[in-house]
Amino acid sequence: GAGVSQSPSNKVTEKGKDVELRCDPISGHTALYWYRQSLGQGLEFLIYFQGNSAPDKSGLPSDRFSAERTGGSVSTLTIQRTQQEDSAVYLCASSSSGTGRSSYNSPLHFGNGTRLTVT
Amino acid sequence: AQSVSQHNHHVILSEAASLELGCNYSYGGTVNLFWYVQYPGQHLQLLLKYFSGDPLVKGIKGFEAEFIKSKFSFNLRKPSVQWSDTAEYFCAVYPSGTYKYIFGTGTRLKVLA
Repeated sequence: GAGVSQSPSNKVTEKGKDVELRCDPISGHTALYWYRQSLGQGLEFLIYFQGNSAPDKSGLPSDRFSAERTGGSVSTLTIQRTQQEDSAVYLCASSSSGTGRSSYNSPLHFGNGTRLTVT
Repeated sequence: AQSVSQHNHHVILSEAASLELGCNYSYGGTVNLFWYVQYPGQHLQLLLKYFSGDPLVKGIKGFEAEFIKSKFSFNLRKPSVQWSDTAEYFCAVYPSGTYKYIFGTGTRLKVLA
């Protein structure tokens, strides 16, 4: 596609339920990022993928959060046993970064996000 | 820990006023610097970026930013704002070798017609 696609655009779920958020990056982009945007908190880094591997999972808030990427393309972010504090906009971004300094010339391209509301 | 500070959380200006949004980061090594903009109802878009060379970089829509290494700053400027510049602006830092883009908390700009 022309841009980064995220689905669903909105998700309302009950506390304790599991949710799965999907991201389709720009074709050919090897790097994929998940961020969380909360009111007044800016963008909080969650996880980074290079291809199918995740060299940096340091931002995942708890073990209820997990993410995977298959085929070097689509990624899913799963939140188990959702809590009200998980309510936020979850953003996916991709870039055509490679290794070394080439990654510096590849800004992030963002999707429209998934607005998650946990009731 | 690496961090980015945007000191202005909300800014209200009249059209034609000049704009300067502050951005400071904490990292002693090589960085790449970015400003992103999020217009109402739209996704985050790149406004401008600095990698190396001339510390004064120009972006889209008349925006520019100046990298001052000694001050760890990358302030965004525009000489004359328009109503259509109403948006949220995010400063971001990419520290060398970390893969991680670190974002500030954003500045909401409202331009009054």
